Amino acid sequence: KAGVTQTPRYLIKTRGQQVTLSCSPISGHRSVSWYQQTPGQGLQFLFEYFSETQRNKGNFPGRFSGRQFSNSRSEMNVSTLELGDSALYLCASSLSPREYEQYFGPGTRLTVT
Amino acid sequence: GQQLNQSPQSMFIQEGEDVSMNCTSSSIFNTWLWYKQDPGEGPVLLIALYKAGELTSNGRLTAQFGITRKDSFLNISASIPSDVGIYFCAGRPPQYSGGGADGLTFGKGTHLIIQP
Repeated sequence: KAGVTQTPRYLIKTRGQQVTLSCSPISGHRSVSWYQQTPGQGLQFLFEYFSETQRNKGNFPGRFSGRQFSNSRSEMNVSTLELGDSALYLCASSLSPREYEQYFGPGTRLTVT
Repeated sequence: GQQLNQSPQSMFIQEGEDVSMNCTSSSIFNTWLWYKQDPGEGPVLLIALYKAGELTSNGRLTAQFGITRKDSFLNISASIPSDVGIYFCAGRPPQYSGGGADGLTFGKGTHLIIQP
């Protein structure tokens, strides 16, 4: 069974631009979560989607948004990029929100210059 | 929010040695997960623990859910070069018993370095 896939793997953007990252969960997994990973803050929860609905959101500004499609694929968008948004963005999927075991993708490395 | 203290922050060991690391919290958790992350990759789930006192193995890895529910331990026996990486613990406090990712708190990781 294929794992979680994320595209693109690497991205370089300039301040003020916006970016969209994509995540395809493991086949059959309907819950998708997004995390931001930085050396200083570690792994921080962004939001979780299930059945095309955002269930929970972490403590991030409104510039960070996401959505989920009917096939469970998910995208996250960051508008008006700031230098501090440079990070590894990880997507994780699970069978459902009641499943605690989450499986991560390889991440998208975003660099903002 | 919940805080997880993971120690040690880094470990330098010889190949073949056993490794021990732990994760502690001031609050109780009802789920503990251990992940390993290689450079440039996402974390890979190693072991999941759901009951206080539970001891679970996955090959050379053994993890335990502390009886107080405030800690968890991961042991690696007879380390090999491919064990190098960052090991993360993640926990879920009881108030998030309905599942979902919002209650999953991650430690800062233990960086394992193996000297041949």
